[in-house]
Amino acid sequence: GAVVSQHPSRVICKSGTSVKIECRSLDFQATTMFWYRQFPKQSLMLMATSNEGSKATYEQGVEKDKFLINHASLTLSTLTVTSAHPEDSSFYICSARDPASGGDEQYFGPGTRLTVT
Amino acid sequence: SQQGEEDPQALSIQEGENATMNCSYKTSINNLQWYRQNSGRGLVHLILIRSNEREKHSGRLRVTLDTSKKSSSLLITASRAADTASYFCATDPGGGNKLTFGTGTQLKVEL
Repeated sequence: GAVVSQHPSRVICKSGTSVKIECRSLDFQATTMFWYRQFPKQSLMLMATSNEGSKATYEQGVEKDKFLINHASLTLSTLTVTSAHPEDSSFYICSARDPASGGDEQYFGPGTRLTVT
Repeated sequence: SQQGEEDPQALSIQEGENATMNCSYKTSINNLQWYRQNSGRGLVHLILIRSNEREKHSGRLRVTLDTSKKSSSLLITASRAADTASYFCATDPGGGNKLTFGTGTQLKVEL
């Protein structure tokens, strides 16, 4: 099946610094990837839709200048949390659909645990 | 976007028993999907049911969908300790494949 990877799996950073998280589709090309945030014991909340070669579409309430998304190739999307603060500490998960499969399933990365101190 | 509701929020059963989780949603859908998440991990896709389907099976999983009630259920039969995880339903309205996740059910299967 389709595989999506994320890097890093865990990151700890100091308040005010920026952190970049990578999401890669390993064996398929993804024109669209999705970024979610999940707080402890809560559900996934969609943050933005990442479109290859164009600007990301952000959900209501998500600051686009704080969460920078770049989808520069068909296999890579990056999420940069700028000027991170402790309240940005969360589990960030990306997903992608394999259009070649013809299915509607989304394949999720293993997630990145961000801790801002 | 509004999330769907799942119940129960938590479920604890003995190995071998069946586990049933319910999901209700608010908007019209193209399909509904169920995912499993082990603690601190990513999501694993379990099963997808389309709006014109009423029931679907995959191994020990059985999913039903009632679009008139905007609800779905996931049944895991003959549960195992390895089934311990959080289970989420997610609705897909179609088009852009933007999934909206339910609140999740934490299942614990004890030996």
